Amino acid sequence: EVQLVESGGALVQPGGSLRLSCAASGLTFSTYWMSWVRQAPGKGLEWVANMNQDGSKKYYVDSVKGRFTISRDNTKNSLYLQMNSLRAEDTAVYYCARDYYSVFDLWGRGTLVTVSS
Amino acid sequence: EIVLTQSPGTLSLSPGERATLSCRASQSISSSSLAWYQQKSGQAPRLLIYGASSRATGIPDRFSGSGSGTDFTLTISRLEPEDFAVYYCQQYGSSPRTFGQGTKVEIK
Repeated sequence: EVQLVESGGALVQPGGSLRLSCAASGLTFSTYWMSWVRQAPGKGLEWVANMNQDGSKKYYVDSVKGRFTISRDNTKNSLYLQMNSLRAEDTAVYYCARDYYSVFDLWGRGTLVTVSS
Repeated sequence: EIVLTQSPGTLSLSPGERATLSCRASQSISSSSLAWYQQKSGQAPRLLIYGASSRATGIPDRFSGSGSGTDFTLTISRLEPEDFAVYYCQQYGSSPRTFGQGTKVEIK
């Protein structure tokens, strides 16, 4: 079965850090661009970051530039999102998604990040 | 960035009826680079349509997309009980990729 499974979400204080992981199975992970997309509680979707197959190209939405870092380990079929200097407005469910010709054709179930004191 | 405005915010319909959802862009979207997603409560989004009118793998043919430039439409020809959900449009013609705010299709 083709699937993406996120983990690492938690309650964290403002200014804190968190690392999210996404484990891929059933697909040739190393051949795809991958993205993180988030959804604040009761709100719409927002693309956060993506990277190409070998990690040489990385792109971010302006609101997370300089604070979040996307990375991957193709030997472990895993995608990561290091989140630093977290703010209340970063509170959201974070989805890992396969980025296929710029559309998101496969999604994980998401992991919840709550930034609150 | 391109802002996508979806209308209506909520659509109240009965099973078997036709649903027409609109997505309007703040500027022209190149190469009809527009996708539609369905999200059911508590679930991840699912890709329905890409390239404005191409159905994704496994999507029933009651779902169809149309439009170009700044105006796009998702049509569900006959609503099935499992179609009641929130629908989002997304443009990928320019960076950053952006989503609309969603249209909720609810049971009347």
